[in-house]
Amino acid sequence: ETGVTQTPRHLVMGMTNKKSLKCEQHLGHNAMYWYKQSAKKPLELMFVYNFKEQTENNSVPSRFSPECPNSSHLFLHLHTLQPEDSALYLCASSHGGTSGRADTQYFGPGTRLTVL
Amino acid sequence: GQQVMQIPQYQHVQEGEDFTTYCNSSTTLSNIQWYKQRPGGHPVFLIQLVKSGEVKKQKRLTFQFGEAKKNSSLHITATQTTDVGTYFCAGREVGTGANNLFFGTGTRLTVIP
Repeated sequence: ETGVTQTPRHLVMGMTNKKSLKCEQHLGHNAMYWYKQSAKKPLELMFVYNFKEQTENNSVPSRFSPECPNSSHLFLHLHTLQPEDSALYLCASSHGGTSGRADTQYFGPGTRLTVL
Repeated sequence: GQQVMQIPQYQHVQEGEDFTTYCNSSTTLSNIQWYKQRPGGHPVFLIQLVKSGEVKKQKRLTFQFGEAKKNSSLHITATQTTDVGTYFCAGREVGTGANNLFFGTGTRLTVIP
């Protein structure tokens, strides 16, 4: 599946580094999401953008900063992360709007992040 | 806030045995979706149920939405090694926007050949 792509696929960074995760969707969707998936926790929704506007921010620490320049691209800027932030970061997109399948999520392959 | 729990958290079955995972929501849902995540992969959409009491089948997989629209189940008949993975349900609370999808805790299925 190539509908939603994420780069890089793997990232190792120190706590003082600044890095960015990139997501791109080629499905013509209007909503994009960042999720965090840790080994012992369920999928945690971090941010939601609908028609480029941020609609959800689920108490995510400020060391994570999202950016959505257009409906096809989504970034997650990282700075001063902690080791407990190590996880799989998944991007997803959906149609958005009000149709019956508006919220079906199409996931990218994820970025495996390790914070040293 | 809305919570979506799944049981069991882990399940080991012998190949050929049946498997069922249950999804329970603290609130009434407008729809329920099911996803499968293979080891090392990402969640992939399987199906959506919308109507109260709805039952849908995909080959050996049977999905059911409860009458009260607060629970759902996924049943796999005669498991195969290709069924290995984590199965997630995801639901949206009635009255909330299309972007408010809550994922369940997942059930990790291991199939022993």
